[in-house]
Parts: sequence; C-alpha cells; structure tokens
Amino acid sequence: DAKTTQPNSMESNEEEPVHLPCNHSTISGTDYIHWYRQLPSQGPEYVIHGLTSNVNNRMASLAIAEDRKSSTLILHRATLRDAAVYYCILRDVRDTGNQFYFGTGTSLTVIP
Amino acid sequence: DGGITQSPKYLFRKEGQNVTLSCEQNLNHDAMYWYRQDPGQGLRLIYYSQIVNDFQKGDIAEGYSVSREKKESFPLTVTSAQKNPTAFYLCASSMHSRVEQYFGPGTRLTVT
Repeated sequence: DAKTTQPNSMESNEEEPVHLPCNHSTISGTDYIHWYRQLPSQGPEYVIHGLTSNVNNRMASLAIAEDRKSSTLILHRATLRDAAVYYCILRDVRDTGNQFYFGTGTSLTVIP
Repeated sequence: DGGITQSPKYLFRKEGQNVTLSCEQNLNHDAMYWYRQDPGQGLRLIYYSQIVNDFQKGDIAEGYSVSREKKESFPLTVTSAQKNPTAFYLCASSMHSRVEQYFGPGTRLTVT
C-alpha cells in the first residue's frame, strides 16, 4: 500500500472547524482513502473513507484533491471529545488481506 | 449491544509465562485481527483471520499464536518466545476483508 504523510500534531479551538491534511503522492487508482481516530487508551474508531469524490457523514467530511495526491478530513465544529490521534490510511481495494497500515497519525488537541 | 469485547483491560505477567488475551465479537463479522501498539507508535498487525479455522500471519507474528475455532472468538496467546511482550493489544473485526474494521477497547499487557 502507498504511504501517507501527516503532521505530527495540530491544535484547534473548541467549536471551530478543523482541517486535518494528508499527503499521499504515490496513491494508485485502486487505493481508497480511510480515516480512523484513536482516543487515549482506546481502540481506533472508523471515521470516513472515499475514493475520488468528497464524502460526508455524521462525524466528518472528506475532501479529496482532484489529482488524489492529498486529502483533508474536516471536522465542522471541534469539541473536546474530538481530541484524538487521527490516522490517514490508504487501502488497495484489490488487497484481500485487509491489512490497514496505521502510521503515527496527527495528534489533535482541542483548546476550550 | 453489538460490539467487540476484550478482556481483561489490564494484564500483568511474569517473564517466561504464556498469556492468552480474549477477543469476542457479536457483530457476525467474518474477519478478525490482532494488532500491537507501542507507546507513541502506530498499530502493527500480528495475525488476521478471514474465516473460521483459517488465519494468516501479519508483520510481527513471531512469538504469538492464535486460533479461530468459532466465528465470534479470536484469542491471542503471547508466548514466552516474544522478546518484548509489554504493549497495548487491540483486536478488530470486519464484515469481510475489504471494509472498515471495528476495534475493541484493547488490553494493556505488562510483563516483568
């Protein structure tokens, strides 16, 4: 699977939008972009995924660049409960092993 | 409630002892996974199973063993051959091998 690059940490004020970037310049045409987050001392939680078009769900929005070499996870109004490590992962749809490669992610701090 | 349970949350063992970590899911998922997480690091795949009575090694299977006798259960044994067993262990499941994974709360194992 292609690699992703994320900032180590970011800060946001409570109730403001947060844009978490992810670069994946070697993405292939069959790679889906997945986002998970991990709260302290808990297991990761699925957030959202997409292939080419922007995606929205109750948790977040995923904006995918036209060339697919980068994407942005958008939290529309950050709350203190959104403080977590956010992982951007590429997953080849042809890979039957379903192995997700979790890097070190972006640690998001939400300031009250 | 449907979900994944791991027990216990904290586990302490003496060096040289084998220890088995429990993972149960009632989501009717076919695939199950075991990951290891060290402080400040991402997740690394130990073993995964796509179907009952079948499992595959992940990136760091040495010193670990698993079984998949029932769809709902995927226990992990940390053997005395694992050189650095102290870590946070996460179990996950997915409906099949190509969709999002759901994680349990994790077991923090300390070996002294």
